[in-house]
Amino acid sequence: QKEVEQNSGPLSVPEGAIASLNCTYSDRGSQSFFWYRQYSGKSPELIMFIYSNGDKEDGRFTAQLNKASQYVSLLIRDSQPSDSATYLCAVYRMDSSYKLIFGSGTRLLVRP
Amino acid sequence: IAGITQAPTSQILAAGRRMTLRCTQDMRHNAMYWYRQDLGLGLRLIHYSNTAGTTGKGEVPDGYSVSRANTDDFPLTLASAVPSQTSVYFCASSVSPGNTEAFFGQGTRLTVV
Repeated sequence: QKEVEQNSGPLSVPEGAIASLNCTYSDRGSQSFFWYRQYSGKSPELIMFIYSNGDKEDGRFTAQLNKASQYVSLLIRDSQPSDSATYLCAVYRMDSSYKLIFGSGTRLLVRP
Repeated sequence: IAGITQAPTSQILAAGRRMTLRCTQDMRHNAMYWYRQDLGLGLRLIHYSNTAGTTGKGEVPDGYSVSRANTDDFPLTLASAVPSQTSVYFCASSVSPGNTEAFFGQGTRLTVV
């Protein structure tokens, strides 16, 4: 089992809809959760981070964290074709030192 | 412009050859990371360094080595390349390990033939 799991997709939504991306993690000791966006052929770039249980909103993006259930999600409101990309979930895990572990990513396709 | 720079951008390498991928950051970040990205597998952590002078093994360390002699540089070495190491390699850095975002270099596309 991978430490950080994501559905590979593609997740296809129409323009203007809400896209919901999910991520689960296996280590209860994980802290600091991140969502990155990666366009084809480009480097990942940060969308949002969340540390505490609950919701965190930034513009059209909302990150949700539930540590008891070990999942973190990203909602994208009013999806635009320019949001079409792969979304990567990342988690800091601490054992002897900190490791930043990524999921395999969910490909999002926003249809015009 | 501050940032993280990788070299080379791309490389074709004969199997069995030794290769060092370079990574330099000028942001004075303490933590640095090397990932490989293969289709459908996302980013997999190869090695990391929480601070200069220390390194650790990630998810897929076999066949790779790193060093962190100073804050800015974090080279990744393939001692004897094999075709399964064909991948896109990303170097990243963060201010501190554990709670800050990682910034990525532009990536190195490596093909081992």
